[in-house]
Amino acid sequence: AIQMTQSPSSLSASVGDRVTITCRASQGIGNDLGWYQQKPGKAPKVLIYGASSLQSGVPSRFRGSGSGTDFTLTISSLQPEDFATYYCLQDYNYPLTFGPGTKVDIK
Amino acid sequence: QVQLQESGPGLVKPSETLSLTCSVSGGSISTYYWTWIRQPPGKGLEWIGYISYTGSTNYNPSLKSRVTISVDTSKNQFSLKLSSVTAADTAVYYCARRIAARPVYAFDIWGQGTMVTVSS
Repeated sequence: AIQMTQSPSSLSASVGDRVTITCRASQGIGNDLGWYQQKPGKAPKVLIYGASSLQSGVPSRFRGSGSGTDFTLTISSLQPEDFATYYCLQDYNYPLTFGPGTKVDIK
Repeated sequence: QVQLQESGPGLVKPSETLSLTCSVSGGSISTYYWTWIRQPPGKGLEWIGYISYTGSTNYNPSLKSRVTISVDTSKNQFSLKLSSVTAADTAVYYCARRIAARPVYAFDIWGQGTMVTVSS
C-alpha cells in the first residue's frame, strides 16, 4: 500500500495568516491526490481533487499543488472557519490511503 | 441534493459481526462508487472498501477477510458487514459517495457518521 505522510502534524496560526501543509507519497501517484477538511464531530469535506482542482463551492483561498510524490495545500488567508484537521488522500491505486492529518488551530 | 445516512447498532460484542446500512436519498445508487470509511476515536481515516454501481467490490487488504459490502438497489441502500470484531474496530463509520471518472476522483458526499463501539 502507498504510505502517505503529512507535515506538520499540527500548527498554530492566526486569522489572515498564509498556511502551507505538505503531503508526501511513498511512491509516485501522478496527480491523483485530494485534500479533505474535517471539523470536530463532522464528516470530512473535499476541498481539492486531482492535486489542484478546486471542488465546487470551496473558497478560492484554498490552493493545491504538486505532482508525483510531493504535494502542498495552501490557505492564502486563514479564516476563522478554517480551523480544522486536514487530510490528504491518494486516489492513485487501491487500497486508497489517507495521510495522518494536520491539525490547524488558533494561535 | 443527494444525502447519505448511516444506520445500525452502536454497540457490538467482541467476536460478533458489525452491520451498518447507508441509505441514499435524493439520487440513484445505480451509478458512482459507494464507500465505507472509518475513523477510530482521536485517530485518522481508514478506507474500508467500496461497491460500484455494477456490483463489483474492492476491499482494504487489512480488512478483506472480514469485510463484505453489498448493495440493494431497490431500497437505494448499501451495507457493510465486518465480522469477528475486536475493540480495534471501535470507530466512527462513514459512508461516502466516490466519483471516479477522470479527471475527478473524490469522495464528494459523506454521511454524518455513526459511532460503533465494540465491547462486552
